[in-house]
Amino acid sequence: QSALTQPASMSGSPGQSITISCTGTSSDVGSNNLVSWYQQYPGKAPKLMIYDLSERPSGVSNRFSGSKSGNTASLTISGLQAEDEADYYCCSCAGSPPSYVFGTGTKVTVL
Amino acid sequence: QVQLQESGPGLVKPSGTLSLTCVVSGGSMSISKWWGWVRQSPGKGLEWIGEISHDGITNYNPSFKSRVTMSLDKSNNQFSLRLTSVTAADTALYYCAKESHSSVDYWGQGTLVTVSS
Repeated sequence: QSALTQPASMSGSPGQSITISCTGTSSDVGSNNLVSWYQQYPGKAPKLMIYDLSERPSGVSNRFSGSKSGNTASLTISGLQAEDEADYYCCSCAGSPPSYVFGTGTKVTVL
Repeated sequence: QVQLQESGPGLVKPSGTLSLTCVVSGGSMSISKWWGWVRQSPGKGLEWIGEISHDGITNYNPSFKSRVTMSLDKSNNQFSLRLTSVTAADTALYYCAKESHSSVDYWGQGTLVTVSS
């Protein structure tokens, strides 16, 4: 069970949009819509930002959105803000019985 | 508001057994079907260890399957992780988690476990 592949780092200026990719296989990302995304600040526990591919938990800004094409899921952050500077991880359900695999993580820097 | 708190030894000897407990407060364990464990090695990414349902069904990451056991104690609102034959590679921050919609919606603060003699 290999980790999903994410770019190590991405950056953008305030107000811009960035899209973080999360590439898996037909056994995980490509097989279902059970993809979630997490935001993690240094020294803090992760926070759920997206579940079921594109659903936002209550309280999460609508600047965050999720989508998928084939074996690659994506998280788009619109209207980038300084507070969005953090690490982001994707996660996908894989196989039966279910197991979950996380992505390698992406460090987002707001310029 | 559900809160989770991990506890257990911060230092485990190589080849020993790592044992952690997670206490759930702010609600009964029946509020969620699945409860799990995730770890994060220093400076590294997240790794799902496994999950246990409110009626004791377990699913484990195949990478840990032969070494991991999870259990729950609903009367005390807690669940536990046991990982045997640990090595330095098991040094990590261990999070307990409440799962919902195949994701983690609540996390503990994490507890650092170091494997060292």
